Amino acid sequence: GENVEQHPSTLSVQEGDSAVIKCTYSDSASNYFPWYKQELGKRPQLIIDIRSNVGEKKDQRIAVTLNKTAKHFSLHITETQPEDSAVYFCAAFEGAGNQFYFGTGTSLTVIP
Amino acid sequence: NAGVTQTPKFQVLKTGQSMTLQCAQDMNHNSMYWYRQDPGMGLRLIYYSASEGTTDKGEVPNGYNVSRLNKREFSLRLESAAPSQTSVYFCASTTAYSGANVLTFGAGSRLTVL
Repeated sequence: GENVEQHPSTLSVQEGDSAVIKCTYSDSASNYFPWYKQELGKRPQLIIDIRSNVGEKKDQRIAVTLNKTAKHFSLHITETQPEDSAVYFCAAFEGAGNQFYFGTGTSLTVIP
Repeated sequence: NAGVTQTPKFQVLKTGQSMTLQCAQDMNHNSMYWYRQDPGMGLRLIYYSASEGTTDKGEVPNGYNVSRLNKREFSLRLESAAPSQTSVYFCASTTAYSGANVLTFGAGSRLTVL
């Protein structure tokens, strides 16, 4: 089955700096890669996603890049703010098995 | 439009007791999932249902059973709870069609087994 690895597990940045979280996947059949943000005690919420036919997608301060050849994708947050502090999860969707495979999460702390 | 609704939000059980977590979605999604979340281990799939009438095991199915009651509802049952099943449980759903498979989560159910 698919295996998704996520790094780093914790990340601290100064407010206004950029944050980058990286994920790798193993199954070349995976074709959809969402990123979720989970605040303490809350449910995971989708913040951005990318499909396998696209290399990059941007939504205001958040961007995701996908390298299908290398089987890795990354989340980029620019101009970080304290409210960006949360746990971020990457995931890969493998259509044939109809399953989402999640990374183990990155705890991001933005220091004011 | 409530999205994905889970009950109960909190539950404390004694070892050996049984309980059922309920999940319902009103988005006409065909696929539903149960995950458990433990510190440092991300979201691990327990069981899923690709469509009404089908269920399949995920990564950590032991000690659990599921029922896809109809298109809207997908329940998770612990027959004989163990302390290792102390966790936060999330139900999720999606259409799972190519190009339209955003996964939406419920608010979670925090279960403690003593």
